[in-house]
This record gives sequence, C-alpha cells and structure tokens, in this order.
Amino acid sequence: NAGVMQNPRHLVRRRGQEARLRCSPMKGHSHVYWYRQLPEEGLKFMVYLQKENIIDESGMPKERFSAEFPKEGPSILRIQQVVRGDSAAYFCASSPSRAGEETQYFGPGTRLLVL
Amino acid sequence: RKEVEQDPGPFNVPEGATVAFNCTYSNSASQSFFWYRQDCRKEPKLLMSVYSSGNEDGRFTAQLNRASQYISLLIRDSKLSDSATYLCVVPRTSGSARQLTFGSGTQLTVLP
Repeated sequence: NAGVMQNPRHLVRRRGQEARLRCSPMKGHSHVYWYRQLPEEGLKFMVYLQKENIIDESGMPKERFSAEFPKEGPSILRIQQVVRGDSAAYFCASSPSRAGEETQYFGPGTRLLVL
Repeated sequence: RKEVEQDPGPFNVPEGATVAFNCTYSNSASQSFFWYRQDCRKEPKLLMSVYSSGNEDGRFTAQLNRASQYISLLIRDSKLSDSATYLCVVPRTSGSARQLTFGSGTQLTVLP
C-alpha cells in the first residue's frame, strides 16, 4: 500500500513564476491536508480538502495561493507569482474518511526554492 | 499563550539514557494528542497517539494530564536512531476538527 505521494520533490522557481505541487493521498483516503514548513519553523496548516470540496482554508494566504482536489487525479497546491518568502517545504497529508479518525499520514514533501 | 508549546531543546543525551519531553496545550477541550518525529529534511512520522491518560509502546511512553493540559513523552534506553525532532501535535477542536496544530518541536541528539 503506497503511502502519500508528492511531486516534485524539489522545485526551483524564479520570482514571479508559478509553482504547482501535487499530492496523491494514500489508497482509500479521501481527505487531504496541506502544511507549510518555513526554514527553522514548525509546520503550519494551510488547507483541508475532500474530493471536489475545500473544507477549511483558514491557513491559506489570502492571495496567490489556491488548492484543489478534483474528482479524478491528485490534489494540487498552486502558488502564483512566487516570491522568495514562499521558499519552504510543503507537506501533504491524508487521512481516512471514517468518523473520528484523525491520524494524518504525511508525504515526503516538496521543497520549493524561489530564486 | 501559544496553542501548543514544547521544550525548545536541544537535548543531547548519551546512548542508553532516559529523556523526557514536555508539551503544554491551551485548548482544554482537546481530546486527542499525537507525538510525531521528524528527521532532518524528512516528513513527520506518527510516533504515538494519546487518547486517554497515556500510551506505551516499547521504549516510548506518552502521558497526558488533562487538568494541567500537559503531555509528556518519555524515551527509555535511548538509541542513536532516536535522534530526531519530536513534534507535539494537537487537533483543533473548533471549526475543522481535522486541522493539526504542531508545536515547534524538540530536537534530540543521542550521542555514542
């Protein structure tokens, strides 16, 4: 049973470009979460999605960031017009849909570097 | 007060030592807690879940004190492979119950 998969593992962008980060949850998991870890800091929640729905985006920056989890395919975290401050590790996690199941399993992360 | 606060560390201990990490949380309504470990430049991995007064798994023991809003992680007979950052994690109980709040982590280095 493959774990959470993320790609790319490393992404380099120049300021002003777009970054697209992909996440495929574990088999049987329908809940996806995105977290960001800035250098030397803890993980911060960004967004929680179920298939075709954004459930909680309270941690998302108001501008330039968006996320989706389409009916088919991986979840996508999109960052438009990247700036140097977006350089961070972006982790995706997934969990089962069973009520009360809160354990989240993390993918290996995408390390974004903005030049 | 931060939602989740941890000992800042770092902790440097010899192999075989017993080490304990502390974590306090601000939301008295929190019902479940987790300890994750994170190796350098890797993803967090679940170490233990804590739903009642505590949990034990081999050399690792987690204890929960709801009255003091305090969670601890005890590692006995430390191994070199225990070197990592240990993250105290509390699910948020308002709004999306599935949002995890992470402590800043406690760094452990086990020395030969």
